[in-house]
Amino acid sequence: AQRVTQPEKLLSVFKGAPVELKCNYSYSGSPELFWYVQYSRQRLQLLLRHISRESIKGFTADLNKGETSFHLKKPFAQEEDSAMYYCALGSGGGADGLTFGKGTHLIIQP
Amino acid sequence: GAGVSQSPSNKVTEKGKDVELRCDPISGHTALYWYRQSLGQGLEFLIYFQGNSAPDKSGLPSDRFSAERTGGSVSTLTIQRTQQEDSAVYLCASSLDSSYNQPQHFGDGTRLSIL
Repeated sequence: AQRVTQPEKLLSVFKGAPVELKCNYSYSGSPELFWYVQYSRQRLQLLLRHISRESIKGFTADLNKGETSFHLKKPFAQEEDSAMYYCALGSGGGADGLTFGKGTHLIIQP
Repeated sequence: GAGVSQSPSNKVTEKGKDVELRCDPISGHTALYWYRQSLGQGLEFLIYFQGNSAPDKSGLPSDRFSAERTGGSVSTLTIQRTQQEDSAVYLCASSLDSSYNQPQHFGDGTRLSIL
């Protein structure tokens, strides 16, 4: 069965420092990986997906199949990045839904 | 435009009662998903609808859970004879279709508390 692990429940960094939120997955097939974000008092929303190879709000994530990882990175954190971040795995087609990690609460200190 | 709408936003009920949760997806979205988030846990996938059809109901936690979707739009998740372990936030999401190219748009959720 597929699984997503986010080892850090809480990550606190100072403004301007680099950020890396870790995500590891377990899946025997070809994975689709996503990062979702939930800002305070807002809905869960898609941040980025590996198939697009895009940078959103300065965040990037690279799928490393050898290490089964999809870490989220940003070189210079901003206070507005404070939020809950969830890594999610799609497997076998959209009808199976997404498998989410437990989330990392990112706090950016001024 | 309007996003995914869920009602009620909060529901407190006694153990053993039945509850019905409603999801109104974004207009034109054919795919609809239900998830559950228990305290301190990630989102747990429950069921997916393509149009009015749910091809796989194996993600529902028990036979006390059922879901339907009518007219390719509104969906209801019904929990019969609620138990305390059913307490969670129930989230609904919709997307244009089920492909991973289409993002899932989430509602605000229904926070269910079983006393």
